[in-house]
Amino acid sequence: NAGVTQTPKFRILKIGQSMTLQCTQDMNHNYMYWYRQDPGMGLKLIYYSVGAGITDKGEVPNGYNVSRSTTEDFPLRLELAAPSQTSVYFCASNRETPNYGYTFGSGTRLTVV
Amino acid sequence: KNEVEQSPQNLTAQEGEFITINCSYSVGISALHWLQQHPGGGIVSLFMLSSGKKKHGRLIATINIQEKHSSLHITASHPRDSAVYICAVTKGGSQGNLIFGKGTKLSVKP
Repeated sequence: NAGVTQTPKFRILKIGQSMTLQCTQDMNHNYMYWYRQDPGMGLKLIYYSVGAGITDKGEVPNGYNVSRSTTEDFPLRLELAAPSQTSVYFCASNRETPNYGYTFGSGTRLTVV
Repeated sequence: KNEVEQSPQNLTAQEGEFITINCSYSVGISALHWLQQHPGGGIVSLFMLSSGKKKHGRLIATINIQEKHSSLHITASHPRDSAVYICAVTKGGSQGNLIFGKGTKLSVKP
């Protein structure tokens, strides 16, 4: 099994550009999450989904959008990129909360210039 | 004040030493997680605890629910253990969203 796959691994965006960070998992997990990791800070939740067709905001959702049309895929969309969105983004999944471990993707390092 | 606090922030050890990383939390939880992140790398789940103690190889994790405290121990440390160790909790009643500590950067010297 591939686990959680994130693409791309690195990306440089110009201010105002848009992009989609892809996340797919092959474990049939219902729960999926997007986190961002800033230097010296703990990871912060951006958006999460408890199943196909259901999404909800996390702690830092501004400037982002998500969709969950299938169980496998949970893309994160950045509209009008800003320097404050420079970060490392991690997608994670979990079969069923709260008593199961999480599987994380390898991360996407995004720089907005 | 952060809901999850880790100490120390940085830790340097000599190969072979016994290492302890601490995590305290201030919210009701349904589970506590220890994660490992190598430089430039992804995040790997080491343990998930809701009570007691778990052991995997040279790693041991304990939790005291009454004191809201967990420890991660590494026995016979090795340079390959050098990484950031992150404590995270699943808040009780949440949709499984993790609340993370800031991490402990461990460097093990040969």
